[in-house]
Amino acid sequence: EAAVTQSPRNKVAVTGGKVTLSCNQTNNHNNMYWYRQDTGHGLRLIHYSYGAGSTEKGDIPDGYKASRPSQENFSLILELATPSQTSVYFCASGDRGGERLFFGHGTKLSVL
Amino acid sequence: QQKVQQSPESLIVPEGAMTSLNCTFSDSASQYFAWYRQHSGKAPKALMSIFSNGEKEEGRFTIHLNKASLHFSLHIRDSQPSDSALYLCAENNNAGAKLTFGGGTRLTVRP
Repeated sequence: EAAVTQSPRNKVAVTGGKVTLSCNQTNNHNNMYWYRQDTGHGLRLIHYSYGAGSTEKGDIPDGYKASRPSQENFSLILELATPSQTSVYFCASGDRGGERLFFGHGTKLSVL
Repeated sequence: QQKVQQSPESLIVPEGAMTSLNCTFSDSASQYFAWYRQHSGKAPKALMSIFSNGEKEEGRFTIHLNKASLHFSLHIRDSQPSDSALYLCAENNNAGAKLTFGGGTRLTVRP
């Protein structure tokens, strides 16, 4: 089973603060993704990456940056966190054309 | 408005029933369609996928795809309490490696 690990599991941040969510995968997948999950919206794609050094905007990129320093690691950065970014964030990895994704256990972020 | 729409939003069925979940998409160029299942507090996990029109069966689960009507569905035969979860449909229109998800259907199977 493919392994995707996220840290931290839970995070409380203050409005205006900087938040970094980290993701590590040991599957040697080229593609990695950051989604957020809110009730009624399913999973919405924030940023994704085709490999080290690459980042692409997803469907809701505003207020977020991403960094892919290596094949294994993909970070999501909130430079100025806002309460509207309170959500559960999932990282995923996958290969080929965005087919079958393997998800991490999620990070619950609360911005107060 | 989401490009992938799911119905119903929630569903309660008795154990042993046939359950049908629906998904509509807006891009006829979509190439890949999948269902994911997410138990409460857990990560989403891929359940089944299909590339071309038709039907695919795996155990108690069957998916149907009709590209002309922009519709695909998941059917669960002999539903079990362990099937209770959030079901997410997804499609990839081959515009990059992006998988777009619907809003989900929360299924509860009563013993």
